[in-house]
Amino acid sequence: DVKVTQSSRYLVKRTGEKVFLECVQDMDHENMFWYRQDPGLGLRLIYFSYDVKMKEKGDIPEGYSVSREKKERFSLILESASTNQTSMYLCASSSRLHRGDTQYFGPGTRLTVL
Amino acid sequence: SQQGEEDPQALSIQEGENATMNCSYKTSINNLQWYRQNSGRGLVHLILIRSNEREKHSGRLRVTLDTSKKSSSLLITASRAADTASYFCATDGSGGFKTIFGAGTRLFVKA
Repeated sequence: DVKVTQSSRYLVKRTGEKVFLECVQDMDHENMFWYRQDPGLGLRLIYFSYDVKMKEKGDIPEGYSVSREKKERFSLILESASTNQTSMYLCASSSRLHRGDTQYFGPGTRLTVL
Repeated sequence: SQQGEEDPQALSIQEGENATMNCSYKTSINNLQWYRQNSGRGLVHLILIRSNEREKHSGRLRVTLDTSKKSSSLLITASRAADTASYFCATDGSGGFKTIFGAGTRLFVKA
């Protein structure tokens, strides 16, 4: 089975802190994604990566950056956390760069910024 | 607005009843997917239906797709308490390889 893991289930940070969210997948998938999920808004794409060291902005990249140094690992970085970044963060991966390919999700990280 | 929009936003039924959720979208698609999310967890893929298919079954799930109306429905038959979750439709966006998710339908199945 595909397994996508995220470094933390719950995280509490203070405004201005630098925050790292890590995601690891074990299926040799080329594509990896970071979403945030807020009530009533569904999932919104922050960044995605289709290869090592490659990244593309999603719909809401402001305030975030990403890093993909190894194929299995995709990190989301909040350079200076703000309260409006309190959210559920979901990582996903998929095998092909095909429109609408099935994505496999991690369990999510619920981040609270105080 | 969202490419995929689910209707209703919330649904409460008794165990054993059928649950129907609908999804509408705006642009042409290659395929449409349904995902389930248990409370506070990640999404799990349920079923994918391609644009040239009209109906697909998987266990107690039945998905239909009407490309002329740009809509899809997910039917869960003989629902169980364990089906309580949020259900999302997802479509491939018109701009490349993004998958666009709707806001979801929250299903509550009472035992």
